[in-house]
Parts: sequence; structure tokens; C-alpha cells
Amino acid sequence: ETGVTQTPRHLVMGMTNKKSLKCEQHLGHNAMYWYKQSAKKPLELMFVYNFKEQTENNSVPSRFSPECPNSSHLFLHLHTLQPEDSALYLCASSPAGEETQYFGPGTRLLVL
Amino acid sequence: TQLLEQSPQFLSIQEGENLTVYCNSSSVFSSLQWYRQEPGEGPVLLVTVVTGGEVKKLKRLTFQFGDARKDSSLHITAAQPGDTGLYLCAGDNKDDYKLSFGAGTTVTVRA
Repeated sequence: ETGVTQTPRHLVMGMTNKKSLKCEQHLGHNAMYWYKQSAKKPLELMFVYNFKEQTENNSVPSRFSPECPNSSHLFLHLHTLQPEDSALYLCASSPAGEETQYFGPGTRLLVL
Repeated sequence: TQLLEQSPQFLSIQEGENLTVYCNSSSVFSSLQWYRQEPGEGPVLLVTVVTGGEVKKLKRLTFQFGDARKDSSLHITAAQPGDTGLYLCAGDNKDDYKLSFGAGTTVTVRA
């Protein structure tokens, strides 16, 4: 238990569906991250939020839309995804200005 | 993005054997971290190395940071089935506090 929770843990969706992934951290951290993990590839940083402000959008397609209502919660809204978007989506948090990141268990997404 | 290459990609050994995995880059990092990820879970931090030439030990795990802070190794002595997992290295550039990850080494320790 790292103090970072993600829901749902598994998600199957069609290409026309709209769904949201949720991340919550109970560690008092001010930075939150979304990563995409595909087999045999390095973790891909998608978005970074510092103090609720988005500071990084790593050329992510607009079908992925992040939302950070407060420092403890992070969402990833999904719409009209493609099969190649199937992956493990990991949320992480860290204290501001520190390199150590604490990861949630991830959401395993399958797009049909 | 600074690239980190990990080798080997896969490693399968018998319980009790030793193993070493490597993490190499052409870039210099302020610090380097090792994570272990078990199936169905997110990565969990094992250690952070900061100083060139630094060696850190965590029970049967020994981590070394290269003198030039471009590479690192993880050595496991007398591996156990509980050591099975995906080992990820990640480099930190203090300029932006973002981590660059390697693709990982999948370690399987057979009983």
C-alpha cells in the first residue's frame, strides 16, 4: 500500500465510449502524474500537475483529457480511444521538488 | 527525454543464484532510482543513488551508481522467488524533476 489508489483497476471499453480513470493520494503531495505503460516500452509520462496546475503535456492526443480538482485527486477522461491505447495507466505523486514518486496500482485498460 | 537502456530484457534464474541487471545512458543524471514492479501493481521504489561511485546495499540487493552518473547496476545475491518482478531504473534531471524510465528487466526466480 503506497498511499496512492486508482479506480477502476480494470476497464474494457469500446472506441466510442467515454470513461474516466480516478487517482487519489493520501500522502499530502503536491505533484501528480499520469503515465502509460505498454509492454516492453519505458513508462511514458503523459501529464504532470504541480499544485493543481498542469505543468506538462507530453504531446498526448486530445482523446486523453486530464483533470486535477485538488492536490489529492487526479482524473483522466477518455473518449474515442483507439485499440493502441490499450495499456496500464499509472498514477503517481511526489512531494513538490522531490524526485521520488509513489505509484498507484494502475488501471489496466483494454480498448476494443 | 533522456534515454535509459536496461539489460538484459529478461532474466530467468534458479533460486540461490546471483544476478546483475544494468541501466545505461549517454546522459548524466542528478540521481537514479530503482523500482520493482510486481504483476498487477505499480512500481515501488527500492533505492535512490545520488553520488557518482555510490554503492548502496539493501539486504541481498546491491546498487551501484557509475562514477560519471550515467549508469547503474543492481546485483542480487542468492535470489529468492520473492525477488521475481520487473526492475525499472529511472533517472532524474534536477532541472525539471521529471523521471526518465528504462524499459525494465523482467526477472524470474524459479524455486
